[in-house]
This record gives sequence, structure tokens and C-alpha cells, in this order.
Amino acid sequence: DIQMTQSPSTLSASVGDRVTITCRASQNINSWLAWFQQKPGKAPKLLIYKASNLKSGVPSRFSGSGSGTEFTLTISSLQPDDFATYYCQQHNTYFFTFGPGTKVDVK
Amino acid sequence: EVQLVESGGGLVQPGGSLRLSCAASGFTFSSYWMSWVRQAPGKGLEWVANMKEDGSEKNYVDSVKGRFTISRDNAKNSLYLQMNSLRAEDTAVYYCAREDSLSENWGADYWGQGTLVTVSS
Repeated sequence: DIQMTQSPSTLSASVGDRVTITCRASQNINSWLAWFQQKPGKAPKLLIYKASNLKSGVPSRFSGSGSGTEFTLTISSLQPDDFATYYCQQHNTYFFTFGPGTKVDVK
Repeated sequence: EVQLVESGGGLVQPGGSLRLSCAASGFTFSSYWMSWVRQAPGKGLEWVANMKEDGSEKNYVDSVKGRFTISRDNAKNSLYLQMNSLRAEDTAVYYCAREDSLSENWGADYWGQGTLVTVSS
């Protein structure tokens, strides 16, 4: 089974900061990675698919990169609405493993 | 408008059973893979199971294999999760999600609001 890790587990930042979250896979997943944002009490929201493709309607301050085993989600200028938990998920196999999540909170 | 509405959650004793349903609307249900994802209180997301458009392929996380069964009725635009031999660690909000399989982009692009399953005596 493919295991996913994320770092950091918590990230404290201020509005306007550039934020980078890393996701690593235990084996090569090519570009089959998605990123989700989740706010408390709400369902997750798809931000990025196939590692670097921005979902329609998602602000352009979000970007994704990487392939193989290492991936990053970058928020170029953190906005108040972006304080949330972010998850990566692999789709290289049909066992869609999530990463443990990265909480972005107020510094 | 795409909508996914889960139902069937509730309080059940350890060892008991529950059947979750997800009613889909606003898209051609029979054209998409569907998934169940759960989230235990205060914890992260866990993918539970998924099913191919025509029901010919099903996959499960190891922790539910042999206890949970995913199914779908394309005529009724509905997805199901039969949960047997429930354990305390199955306590979670269960989400139904549509996988963006038609475009082969993958990633769950629509989610339901979730239904809470509590396993406790």
C-alpha cells in the first residue's frame, strides 16, 4: 500500500505570507496527486488535481508542483479565507490514500 | 447543480450494522466512480472504499475489508455502504464523494455534507 506523509503537521502564518506544504509518497505515484482544503465542520474541497492542475474556480494564489514521490502545495499570498487544514491524496492506485493533513493557523 | 446527500447515520452498538445511503443528482451518476471517505472526530480524512461506474470493481481500505460493502444502484442514482461488525474505531463522519473519473483527472470534485456514525454501547 502507498503511504502518504505531509510536513509540517501545523504551520503558523500571517496574512500575506507565502506558504508551502510538502507531501511525500512511499513510492512513485507519477502525477496522480490531489490537494484538498477542509474547514471545520465542512466537507473537503478539491483545489488541485494531477499534481499541478488548478480546479476551476480555485484562486490562482494556489499552485501545486511535483511528481514521483515529492509534491508541494503553495499559497503565494495567504488570505484570511485560507486558514484551514490541507490534505494530499494519491490516485496512482485505486486505494486512494490521504496524507495526515497540515493545519494552517494564525501566527 | 451536482448534489450528494448522505443518510443512514446514527448511534449503533459495537458489533451492530448500519447502511448508509447517498442520493446523487445533477449529473450522470452511472458515468462516475464514487467513493466513501470518513473522518473520525478531530482526526484526518480516511478513504474507505470506492466503486467503478458499472459496479464491476470495488476497493476497500484494509481496516474495513470483510466488514463493509460498497454498492450502487445506477437506476436510482444511489450509492450505499453496508457496515457490519461495527467497532468503536468506525465512529466518524462518513462522506460520499464523486471522483472526477470521467475526465480522468481524478480527485473527488463533489462531496456530500456527511453523516455521523457513532459506535458505542
